[in-house]
Amino acid sequence: DIVMTQTPLSLSVTPGQPASISCKSSQSLLHSDGKTYLYWYLQKPGQSPQLLIYEVSSRFSGVPDRFSGSGSGTDFTLKISRVEAEDVGVYYCMQGIHLPQYTFGQGTKLEIK
Amino acid sequence: QVTLRESGPALVKPTQTLTLTCTFSGFSLSTSGMCVSWIRQPPGKALEWLALIDWDDDKYYSTSLKTRLTISKDTSKNQVVLTMTNMDPVDTATYYCARQYSSGIDYWGQGTLVTVSS
Repeated sequence: DIVMTQTPLSLSVTPGQPASISCKSSQSLLHSDGKTYLYWYLQKPGQSPQLLIYEVSSRFSGVPDRFSGSGSGTDFTLKISRVEAEDVGVYYCMQGIHLPQYTFGQGTKLEIK
Repeated sequence: QVTLRESGPALVKPTQTLTLTCTFSGFSLSTSGMCVSWIRQPPGKALEWLALIDWDDDKYYSTSLKTRLTISKDTSKNQVVLTMTNMDPVDTATYYCARQYSSGIDYWGQGTLVTVSS
């Protein structure tokens, strides 16, 4: 199984400041079709996860442009350019290249200072 | 508007079989490329993908749980059913169904908490 490792596991950010989360996979997520199947989700307190970023860097519908994703192969990053209070929650990366075993990272908890 | 809703028992006893139903709207599981996954989350823990069924009735299961899981669909009812046999207290979790299409797993249900206890 592909192991997804996120760092840090928690971070506390002042509103208006940037934040960055790293996700590393144990195998390359680059598919033979040329796409890289790496996703980012945010689970706000008491809610279901919501898709933020798909295929490394594409923002899902309605996601603010302060969220951006980058990376390739096995190393990926989610960046929030200016953290807002509504961004609190747990962020998960997920690999979607390897059926029958999609896997998620351990999660990174974002808090506001 | 895409919506998904999970339903099933809130409490099951150890060794029993769990049956969960995902009822969805706003899309058709007969559309090429469309899939529905089940994902669970033990209290305070990370997400774990369980199973997927696609528009062509192909089925995929978590390698660690495949002997206990069965996924099926009723396209006419817009429903996907997951059964998990031999339930154990470690299976206590919130179970989510979610749609997968061109942007990956994009829409999630609100989840249903299942507690396994005698």
